[in-house]
Amino acid sequence: DAGVIQSPRHEVTEMGQEVTLRCKPISGHDYLFWYRQTMMRGLELLIYFNNNVPIDDSGMPEDRFSAKMPNASFSTLKIQPSEPRDSAVYFCASRHDSTDTQYFGPGTRLTVL
Amino acid sequence: SQQGEEDPQALSIQEGENATMNCSYKTSINNLQWYRQNSGRGLVHLILIRSNEREKHSGRLRVTLDTSKKSSSLLITASRAADTASYFCATDAMSAGGTSYGKLTFGQGTILTVHP
Repeated sequence: DAGVIQSPRHEVTEMGQEVTLRCKPISGHDYLFWYRQTMMRGLELLIYFNNNVPIDDSGMPEDRFSAKMPNASFSTLKIQPSEPRDSAVYFCASRHDSTDTQYFGPGTRLTVL
Repeated sequence: SQQGEEDPQALSIQEGENATMNCSYKTSINNLQWYRQNSGRGLVHLILIRSNEREKHSGRLRVTLDTSKKSSSLLITASRAADTASYFCATDAMSAGGTSYGKLTFGQGTILTVHP
C-alpha cells in the first residue's frame, strides 16, 4: 500500500489567496483526520471524518477553514482567505475501524506570505 | 488544549544509553499511544497500551502506564543514532459512557538526540 498521500508537499501563497490541501487515505480505512502542527501549538486535531461524514470539527480555527470528504478515497482542507498565521504543516491521517492506530501522511508545509 | 504533557522537552544522550520520556494526561483514557516523528516527516506509530494494561514491550521499546497517576513512560533501550527524532504521546479519551471518542489528543513531544 502506498500509505496516506498528501498533495502538495509544499505550498507558498500570499495572504488572501485560497489554499486547497488534498489527502488520499489508505484504501479501506474508515476514519480520516486533519491535523495542524506548529511550534507554538504543537499538533492540533482540526476535524475528523468517519465513513465520509464529519464527526467533530471543533478544532477548526474559524470559518475560513472548511473540509470535505466527497468519497472514501479523497478529502480536501480549504482555507479561504489565507492569513500568515495559517502557516504550518498540515497532516492527514487515516485508520481502520478495527484498530486504534493512525497512519499519517507526509504533510503539507504551508507558508502564507 | 493539549491532553498530554511530556517531559523532558528535549533529551540528549550517547549511543548505547537508555532514553526515558514521560507523559502526563488529564482525563480518563481508553488507550495511550506513542508516535515518532523524524524531522520533516509524518508521525509513525510505535506502540499502544490500553487502560487495563500496566506495561508493554516491543523490541527495544518499553511502555508503562499508571492510570492512578495519569502518566506513562516510554523507555528506549540501547539507543542508536537512528532513534534521533521527536516522540509524542497521544491519548484516546474515554467518554462519559465509557466509549472512545474515536480521536487522539497529542502532547507537545520530546525531542531526542542520540549522539554517535
